[in-house]
Amino acid sequence: DIQMTQSPSTLSASVGDRVTITCRASQSVSSWLAWYQQKPGKAPKLLIYKASTLESGVPSRFSGSGSGTEFTLTISSLQPDDFATYYCQQYNGFWTFGQGTKVDIK
Amino acid sequence: HLQLQESGPGLVKPSETLSLTCTVSGGSITSNTYYWAWIRQPPGKGLEWIGSIYYNGNSYHNPSLESRVTTSVDTSKNLISLKLRSVTAADTAVYYCARHYTTVTYFDYWGQGTLVTVSS
Repeated sequence: DIQMTQSPSTLSASVGDRVTITCRASQSVSSWLAWYQQKPGKAPKLLIYKASTLESGVPSRFSGSGSGTEFTLTISSLQPDDFATYYCQQYNGFWTFGQGTKVDIK
Repeated sequence: HLQLQESGPGLVKPSETLSLTCTVSGGSITSNTYYWAWIRQPPGKGLEWIGSIYYNGNSYHNPSLESRVTTSVDTSKNLISLKLRSVTAADTAVYYCARHYTTVTYFDYWGQGTLVTVSS
């Protein structure tokens, strides 16, 4: 299995902050990586796929980068609606997810 | 507008079989573009892929659950089903159904999820 490790586990930030979340894979997944946002009691929502492609309808303040084993999700200016938990997910084999990064209010 | 809706018992006894269905509306489950998947999330924890199935019944499952999982499809009712045998408290989770392209890709549509608790 390919293991996905996210850091940090929790991130405290303020509205307007630039936020970066890192995801590392235990072996190369090329660019086969997606990012999801999940709010309490809701299903995950796809934000980014193929490491850096923004899903339709997702605000442009979200961006993704990386390839191989190291990836980042960046929110350029944190908005009130962005406080949530974020998961990375590889799809270079059967799917595995990171453990999640909770972005909460500082 | 595609919608996925999970349904099934919210409480299952240990050692019994968990059975869930996912009804797809606003689109056909027989599309040759997509697979339909099950994913679960224990309370307060991360996400785990369970298995994926195509409209013709072709399926594959997480090796860690393979021995206990059966997935099936009913094209006449536009739904997929999940059975998980010999459940324990560790199987308590929110169970989601989701869609992905026929290659191993990302999940672009999700159901709202249903909580299944394993308890006597």
